Amino acid sequence: KNEVEQSPQNLTAQEGEFITINCSYSVGISALHWLQQHPGGGIVSLFMLSSGKKKHGRLIATINIQEKHSSLHITASHPRDSAVYICAVGDTDKLIFGTGTRLQVFP
Amino acid sequence: DAGVIQSPRHEVTEMGQEVTLRCKPISGHDYLFWYRQTMMRGLELLIYFNNNVPIDDSGMPEDRFSAKMPNASFSTLKIQPSEPRDSAVYFCASSLSGVGNQPQHFGDGTRLSIL
Repeated sequence: KNEVEQSPQNLTAQEGEFITINCSYSVGISALHWLQQHPGGGIVSLFMLSSGKKKHGRLIATINIQEKHSSLHITASHPRDSAVYICAVGDTDKLIFGTGTRLQVFP
Repeated sequence: DAGVIQSPRHEVTEMGQEVTLRCKPISGHDYLFWYRQTMMRGLELLIYFNNNVPIDDSGMPEDRFSAKMPNASFSTLKIQPSEPRDSAVYFCASSLSGVGNQPQHFGDGTRLSIL
């Protein structure tokens, strides 16, 4: 069993839909990171959180430390949100990555 | 501010050749990470440095891989001799401190193809 599990692996949506990507982890962490990678592109850090909720534009990330679970929500999705979203958990210095969720948003 | 700078962006070479990937971290960042990304295995940590000192190289696949950080503004990842299974995208990332309280900043990656 992987230490970081994401679901779903693939997700398609129509423009405007509300998107939720889930991440569960089995190790102790000091922070959880959500990353975004566009096709053929680099990796961008979206959020780093250790408790509660963070919001940036149409993106919202939440974490429940007791349940070892985090969600990434995208409101009013847009085709430019199409990317791979990667959950990673940090313990001291290193990150452990999930396998990513490939999101495609169609107009 | 300039981000993490990697070179080259693309590298195609024949098996057996030496490959050197380069990385310039963000100025002032104490941590530097080398990752490899493949379709099969996703993102894998190869090695990371703290203040130019290698801390954990347990992810380096074998002796053909080596990494150095001679100063705070430059690191290299070398593969010698290269093999087709080394084909992947290699990312360098840097952060101010440990990932517990700082985000990592990634370079654009080097897409390596070994023929």
